[in-house]
Amino acid sequence: DTGVSQNPRHKITKRGQNVTFRCDPISEHNRLYWYRQTLGQGPEFLTYFQNEAQLEKSRLLSDRFSAERPKGSFSTLEIQRTEQGDSAMYLCASSLAIGNTGELFFGEGSRLTVL
Amino acid sequence: EDQVTQSPEALRLQEGESSSLNCSYTVSGLRGLFWYRQDPGKGPEFLFTLYSAGEEKEKERLKATLTKKESFLHITAPKPEDSATYLCAVLDSGGYQKVTFGTGTKLQVIP
Repeated sequence: DTGVSQNPRHKITKRGQNVTFRCDPISEHNRLYWYRQTLGQGPEFLTYFQNEAQLEKSRLLSDRFSAERPKGSFSTLEIQRTEQGDSAMYLCASSLAIGNTGELFFGEGSRLTVL
Repeated sequence: EDQVTQSPEALRLQEGESSSLNCSYTVSGLRGLFWYRQDPGKGPEFLFTLYSAGEEKEKERLKATLTKKESFLHITAPKPEDSATYLCAVLDSGGYQKVTFGTGTKLQVIP
């Protein structure tokens, strides 16, 4: 399978715990995005990498959220001291260059439930 | 701040009953408008990109059109397998790569 892979697919945690999600993009894609989606809403932009550089970060992203892409390949999204409001689907997407077709290739997401 | 508004929120159609979904947008300058399909529990799947007013794209029973303020996704003679949430998104020309999504239209096609 050469699509975008996300792990874990589901995570249930207690409030206050830290969680980490991993995203493996399509291998030749140099751009990687993280989005968050809650029920009945569209995906909400969190952050964007070009290679290993984090070029954009949403103002909505609190200090408890951190993302890395250390070697320009896979990425991790860590949420510290989780809160119930963090419960959502966390989507990763990758692309070559958005100026062409504009296509983002999404993974199937990591669903977080904070109890 | 870019804004994308989709209507209706939900749409129920009989198989074969054609209709249109609306996406109105506000951006400082449009670099691209995108339509995605999302099935329950899955990530969005790309359908079309439109770049300028007057442009149209087609794929099977779907046709997307674009004006300066809105886009329409026309569904002709839909089938039950077209049931999904359809998301509209925009990328502005401000030099950033943030794609802004609308909340989607949930389409149900009944046999």
